[in-house]
Amino acid sequence: DIQMTQSPSTLSASVGDRVTITCRASQSISTWLAWYQQKPGKAPKFLIYKASTLESGVPSRFSGSAYGTEFTLTISSLQPDDFATYYCQQYNSDSGTFGQGTKVEIK
Amino acid sequence: QLQLQESGPGLVKPSEILSLTCSVSGASISSSSLYWVWIRQPPGKGLEWIGSIYYSGTTYYNPSLKSRVTISLDTSKNQFSLKLNSVTAADTAVYYCARGHPSGSYLGPYDHWGRGTLVTVSS
Repeated sequence: DIQMTQSPSTLSASVGDRVTITCRASQSISTWLAWYQQKPGKAPKFLIYKASTLESGVPSRFSGSAYGTEFTLTISSLQPDDFATYYCQQYNSDSGTFGQGTKVEIK
Repeated sequence: QLQLQESGPGLVKPSEILSLTCSVSGASISSSSLYWVWIRQPPGKGLEWIGSIYYSGTTYYNPSLKSRVTISLDTSKNQFSLKLNSVTAADTAVYYCARGHPSGSYLGPYDHWGRGTLVTVSS
């Protein structure tokens, strides 16, 4: 199975900070990677697909990039609505595995 | 606007069958080349793909659950359903239904989600 490892597990940041979350795949997944945002008690919200394509309606402060098997989600200027848990997901093969999540909390 | 809504029992006894339905509004589940999906999330844990069904009825299941899972379409009601057999406490989770993104596959990504429903397996 393809393993997806996110880092860090928790990130403390302030409004206005630039935030970067990393997701590493255990093997090549090309750019078949998505990012989701989840708030407590809510369903995940779809943010990015194919590693760097922003879903319609998602603020432009969110961006994604890829380098080999390492993927990053960057929030250029953290807003109050962005405090949440973020998940990456590979949809290249196997079981479409998700990362374990990165919680972005208020510093 | 596309909306998905899960429904079904919130409590299931061990060894019994978990049955959930996803009602879709704002789109026909049989009229476009899309996947309809079930995903679950145990309390406090991460997300796990359960399985997907193509608009034509072709199904794809997570190998770890394949022996216990059935997903089906009911086009007359614009719904799709999940059945999970022989449940244990490990199947306790929030169950989400979702739609596969038009650019993706049965494995994802998923662009519209229901609100989720908590199913507890307990006697």
